[in-house]
Amino acid sequence: AQKVTQAQTEISVVEKEDVTLDCVYETRDTTYYLFWYKQPPSGELVFLIRRNSFDEQNEISGRYSWNFQKSTSSFNFTITASQVVDSAVYFCALSEAKNAGNMLTFGGGTRLMVKP
Amino acid sequence: SQTIHQWPATLVQPVGSPLSLECTVEGTSNPNLYWYRQAAGRGLQLLFYSVGIGQISSEVPQNLSASRPQDRQFILSSKKLLLSDSGFYLCAWRPGTHSNQPQHFGDGTRLSIL
Repeated sequence: AQKVTQAQTEISVVEKEDVTLDCVYETRDTTYYLFWYKQPPSGELVFLIRRNSFDEQNEISGRYSWNFQKSTSSFNFTITASQVVDSAVYFCALSEAKNAGNMLTFGGGTRLMVKP
Repeated sequence: SQTIHQWPATLVQPVGSPLSLECTVEGTSNPNLYWYRQAAGRGLQLLFYSVGIGQISSEVPQNLSASRPQDRQFILSSKKLLLSDSGFYLCAWRPGTHSNQPQHFGDGTRLSIL
């Protein structure tokens, strides 16, 4: 069975600090997909990134970067020069290719608070 | 482009009353549809998903039910609400094909049971 663990329940940083959100996953499937979502205080979940299990290339999008390492089953998310608008709950999620309903298994989320 | 609509945005209901939350998707055909619940300060719990009209899979036993009367319409219902049904309910969709596609979420419904 698949599982996603976000060990950090809450992180507090000061604006302009870099911060890394950890995500560790478990799956028996050889083909799977990893996702990060952002949930701002308004509540909606915003899709940030998808990574396929066969593509370990790291990705950078502006101040956001993602480090996927199959050897440690981790898919960590780094925000560089954090801003107050980055304050939100961030969820890591996993979907297995063999999953009939393409369901997502979510981690428990990490609440990031960026203080001015 | 595809959009997802979920309503109402907030709802206050007494214990024992019925519930109907609606979700519709525009701009796509035969999507997979999902209902999630999020308790205050907690993660997301998948309640139901549907891969086609009339096809509903339940992930957790509860007094809630779901229906998909039309291709792009997903309804969450209850005959009698419990206090424990309070929470934030999110509807999501994704393309029915291509399992690597992300789910896209509606704005959610905040349900308070009194």
